[in-house]
This record gives sequence, structure tokens and C-alpha cells, in this order.
Amino acid sequence: KAGVTQTPRYLIKTRGQQVTLSCSPISGHRSVSWYQQTPGQGLQFLFEYFSETQRNKGNFPGRFSGRQFSNSRSEMNVSTLELGDSALYLCASTPGEGAPIRETQYFGPGTRLLVL
Amino acid sequence: GESVGLHLPTLSVQEGDNSIINCAYSNSASDYFIWYKQESGKGPQFIIDIRSNMDKRQGQRVTVLLNKTVKHLSLQIAATQPGDSAVYFCAENWGAPAGNKLTFGGGTRVLVKP
Repeated sequence: KAGVTQTPRYLIKTRGQQVTLSCSPISGHRSVSWYQQTPGQGLQFLFEYFSETQRNKGNFPGRFSGRQFSNSRSEMNVSTLELGDSALYLCASTPGEGAPIRETQYFGPGTRLLVL
Repeated sequence: GESVGLHLPTLSVQEGDNSIINCAYSNSASDYFIWYKQESGKGPQFIIDIRSNMDKRQGQRVTVLLNKTVKHLSLQIAATQPGDSAVYFCAENWGAPAGNKLTFGGGTRVLVKP
């Protein structure tokens, strides 16, 4: 099976712009989660989508949003970009059934976003 | 998990020796723990996991130990190889009743000396 894919791999934006990142999960996986990775804050959970609905949410401002399509592909959007949004954005997928059986999350290579 | 900023704790180990990486987790309600390995320019790669009803689990060259009393997790790598050089993260899953939400530790950099 192909792994999690993310596009684009690299992106440069300027402050105030908005950006959309895309994630295609492993075939058959229905849950997609997004994480932000920075040197200062490490890996932080943004949100999880399952069956086109947000199922879990982290502590990020409303400028960060996401959605999931019927084929389980997901996008995340960041509006009004700030310098501090420069990070590696990682997407992870699981089959999606969740608790009581916790599932291993498999990560994509990430999209590196630089905000100037 | 804690952030350690730009200066990750580093474990320097001789090739062929065993490595032990430690992690303290934050939530006593966490019921699932995972170790990931991240190489430069790549996303985290699953190594091994353990559920809260276990205290030890073994994989190929790796062993995870869980001590719920002190909320401590460790990863042991046997016969460390140059390809094991990477940053290692522990993660705990304690999100909503349903779903998957990981909280990561700050990471430990492992450097394998030939």
C-alpha cells in the first residue's frame, strides 16, 4: 500500500496570506490527523477528521481549520499567516475506528511552510 | 509533552551497544503509547507501541517498558546501528473517548558513533 502523501512538500508564503495543504491517507484509512512541528514547541496536535467530521481538536487559534472529503483526503487551511506559523505540517492516518481500540498513526513526510 | 526547544537531549552511543531512551508522560488516563523515530527531512516513523494493560513489549531489536506508577516509558534498542541515528519521540494517546489524538514528548536525539 502507498503511504500517506502530502502536497506540496515545500511552500513559501508572506505574512497575511493564506495557505492550503493537502493530505491523502493510506488507502482504506478513514481518520486523518494534522500536527504542527516546530523547534520551539515540538510536535503539537491540530485536529483529527473522521468521516468528514472533526472528531478531536487541539489548542490552536481559529485561523487553523481543516476539512475532509468523502474519499478521506483532507486539507488544512491557515488564514492570515504569521511568522510563527513557519513549521513542518504533518498529516497522519489510521483506519479510524478509534477507542476503545487505539490505533497506530502513520505519518506522511510533511509540508514545510516558511512564512516571510 | 514538554518542549525542549532547539536543544534536544542527545544520547551518544557506540555502534553495537544498547541504547535506552526515557520519556515521562503527562496523563494518568493515557491508555496507549507509541515510540516514533524521525530522520532528517522525514515524517515520524512508527517503531513500537504498548497499551496500558501491559508493562513490556518486544519487537525486533526494540523493547518498550511502561511504568504507570511513575508515568514513565522507555525504549531500549539492542545492538545499536548507524541507521538508528535519528530523533526519537514518545507519544501518548488520551484524547476524546473516540479517536486518535497524540501528545508528544520533546524528543531525544540518538547519535551512533562508528
